[in-house]
Formats: sequence, C-alpha cells, structure tokens
Amino acid sequence: DTVLTQSPALAVSPGERVSISCRASEGVNSYMHWYQQKPGQQPKLLIYKASNLASGVPARFSGSGSGTDFTLTIDPVEADDTATYFCQQSWNDPTFGSGTKLEIK
Amino acid sequence: QVTLKESGPGILQPSHTLSLTCSFSGFSLSTYGMGVSWIRQPSGKGLEWLASIWWNGNTYNNPSLKSRLTVSKDTSNNQAFLKVTSVDTADTATYYCAHTRLPYVMDAWGQGASVTVSS
Repeated sequence: DTVLTQSPALAVSPGERVSISCRASEGVNSYMHWYQQKPGQQPKLLIYKASNLASGVPARFSGSGSGTDFTLTIDPVEADDTATYFCQQSWNDPTFGSGTKLEIK
Repeated sequence: QVTLKESGPGILQPSHTLSLTCSFSGFSLSTYGMGVSWIRQPSGKGLEWLASIWWNGNTYNNPSLKSRLTVSKDTSNNQAFLKVTSVDTADTATYYCAHTRLPYVMDAWGQGASVTVSS
C-alpha cells in the first residue's frame, strides 16, 4: 500500500493562508487528489492530479507538488472552510490520507 | 448533473453478506472512462477505498479485502452493486459510492449508507 501522511489538525484565522501537506511513502507522479469533507456530509473533490481545480471549486483553493510531497493551499481562508481535508493517490491502488482537520478560529 | 444514492440494509448480523446498491443519474456506465467506486468510512475515522467497476466491466478490489468483495453493474438501470461477504463488527461504517473517472478521480459522491454489523 502507498501510505499517505497528513498532519492531524490545523487552526487558522479567517483571511489567513493555510497550507495542508500530504506525504506519500513512495512516488505517485502527479496522481494526487484532494477532498473536503464537512461534518455529516460526503467528501467533495477539490483538486485533481495535484494542481487542477475541480469544477465549481473557488479559486481560493490550489494544489501543488509531485512525486512524494503535495500541498493544498487555501488563500484566503473563510469560516466556511471548516472541514477535514483528505488527500488520495491513484498511482497505485487508491489510498487516502488520514485527514487534516481544519479549524477556523 | 451527476447524482448518486446508496441503499442498503442498515443493520445486519455478523457472518452475513452485505449487499449495497448505488443508483445514479447524469452518466452512463457504458461510456468510455466512466466508473463507480465504493469507499467506506467508520464513524470518526478516515476513508478506505474498497472497489471500482469501469465502463468496460473491469473491476478492481482493495487487496486487503479482495476475496470478500464483489462489484457488479446494471448499465440499463444505472445501478452498481457491492457485496461484502462474512461481515463482522469491523465492517460497521458509512459506505459511499462515487462517480469515478480516470485516473481514479472520485468527482461526485453519494450521501452514504450507514451500515451496522451487530448481533
């Protein structure tokens, strides 16, 4: 399995910039995708193939990285961005990171 | 607009077989590049990919569960199915189906079906 490691939690204030990291245990090329999951809801695709914005997702969200290190950036953060963010790789059998819970102060 | 909805038994007993249905609209599972994936999430925990079925009938299962999983589809009725055999309490989770396009980008998800395994 390709293991994806994420920081468990972050807290930022509205208007700030936040970067959420995801590290893969082996190279996954650019086959990394990001999802947002708000409490009680299903996940929603934000970014696909490392840096491509999914349809309807605000331009405040962006993604970068390749190989083993990837970053989801939200700039500026809004109160509605309170959620857990998951990365997922598809270079090998799909696996997800454990999620980063983002708190807006 | 792509929509998906999962349905299942809600609760079942250990050792039984879990059967889930994903009913969808807005795409056809006979169209090149289209797929449906199944993913589960125990309460308060992370996401686990279970299996995917593609437009050409190819199926791929999570190796850790491979022998217990069967995915299938009914293209005419816009449905996909997941069976999980020999369930136990560790299979208690919310089960999602998701519209999936290459390379395994899950770009639309159902609301999830809660499944509890309990005697």
